[in-house]
Amino acid sequence: GAVVSQHPSWVICKSGTSVKIECRSLDFQATTMFWYRQFPKQSLMLMATSNEGSKATYEQGVEKDKFLINHASLTLSTLTVTSAHPEDSSFYICSASHRGQGYEQYFGPGTRLTVT
Amino acid sequence: QQQVKQSPQSLIVQKGGISIINCAYENTAFDYFPWYQQFPGKGPALLIAIRPDVSEKKEGRFTISFNKSAKQFSLHIMDSQPGDSATYFCAARASGNTPLVFGKGTRLSVIA
Repeated sequence: GAVVSQHPSWVICKSGTSVKIECRSLDFQATTMFWYRQFPKQSLMLMATSNEGSKATYEQGVEKDKFLINHASLTLSTLTVTSAHPEDSSFYICSASHRGQGYEQYFGPGTRLTVT
Repeated sequence: QQQVKQSPQSLIVQKGGISIINCAYENTAFDYFPWYQQFPGKGPALLIAIRPDVSEKKEGRFTISFNKSAKQFSLHIMDSQPGDSATYFCAARASGNTPLVFGKGTRLSVIA
């Protein structure tokens, strides 16, 4: 149980285009979903926290107009990277938490974004 | 401000040896301390976690030691195997539905 999926697993896009990444909790309803970014050989950096039906809370330094987060249901959150640039190339990872699991966070497999 | 400090940055251990990774935290509101294992190109996977009401937790070859007064916790991997070669992250969070704060990670290599 407690499986989180991400789609796509990897994506290549051209500079200036937008890319949407989906995060789904497959067998539980997620109270909250978190989005992280991880650069090579670095740790996970929290980008934003989203609760179903409400606006996401972004960490300091993360542009909310560039990284659009939509949490439309208890099982789906999306991250859209708008007007992507090569410096946005990174590994994006989501996690989902569930109150019934003591708010344990379950991580997705990640999405590798490359902007050319 | 780095709230969770992890060391060492990298570690090489002989097969069958003990791998030890240490973390220290600053925020006394933290009450949940998990360790994650991450393989290249994959998301992190929960390995073992501890709460501050116990000083040690063991699951198979993995043990967490927790020192509340020193605000430190460590991961011990007994009988380390080449398959344990991965990056390990400690993390911490306060009670409730709060985000995890991660250490910088330790790249473990277990050599035969």
